[in-house]
Amino acid sequence: GNSVTQMEGPVTLSEEAFLTINCTYTATGYPSLFWYVQYPGEGLQLLLKATKADDKGSNKGFEATYRKETTSFHLEKGSVQVSDSAVYFCALSGGQGAQKLVFGQGTRLTINP
Amino acid sequence: SAVISQKPSRDICQRGTSLTIQCQVDSQVTMMFWYRQQPGQSLTLIATANQGSEATYESGFVIDKFPISRPNLTFSTLTVSNMSPEDSSIYLCSVDSIYNEQFFGPGTRLTVL
Repeated sequence: GNSVTQMEGPVTLSEEAFLTINCTYTATGYPSLFWYVQYPGEGLQLLLKATKADDKGSNKGFEATYRKETTSFHLEKGSVQVSDSAVYFCALSGGQGAQKLVFGQGTRLTINP
Repeated sequence: SAVISQKPSRDICQRGTSLTIQCQVDSQVTMMFWYRQQPGQSLTLIATANQGSEATYESGFVIDKFPISRPNLTFSTLTVSNMSPEDSSIYLCSVDSIYNEQFFGPGTRLTVL
C-alpha cells in the first residue's frame, strides 16, 4: 500500500538558517503530494501541494518539488523564522488510494532566535 | 477553502462511556473523513463518511467502536464507544475540495480516564 517516510525530528535551527525536511513516498499510480503544518495548539493547515511529476508547490517561502525518479517531495525554505516553529507532515493521496490521505510521521521544527 | 467546525473542542471522559463528536462544514462537500492523532503521533484515517450510505472503515477500525453518521452534505458525527484510556487522542474531520485538497477541522482533544 501507499506509505510516506519523513526525516526524523526534532529539528532545531537558528533564525535565518536554511531548512530541508526530507520526505519520500511509496505509491502505485500517480499520487498527489502535500505538506501540512500544525502550529502549537492548532489544527492542520495545508501548506503546499504538487499533483504531478516535476511540479513545484510553494507557499510562505516554503517550496517542494515532486520528484518521481527519486519518489521524493522534500520541503525547503531559504531563511526560517521563529514563527515557522511547528510540526510538518508530508502526505500523499491518489493512485490506488483514491482521495485518502496517508501521512508521514511528522517532523517537529523549532527555530531559535 | 471550506470552514470546518467541530464540537466539542475537548472533553474528559470516564472509561466505558461514549462520546459523539460533531463536524459541520460551511458548504456542501462530497467527501468527509475522520482521522485520529494519538499523542505525539501522526494522523491515521479512521473512515470515510459517505452521504446516504454506511461509512467505509480502514483496517483496524470497526463500526461498533466508531459509528459514523452522515445525514447530509454538510454534517457528520463520529462516536467513540465504550472508551478506554487508549482512545485518548485528537480526532479530526476533514473535507475534500474539487482541487483534490483536504481541509481539516480544529480537532477534538479527548482524554479518557
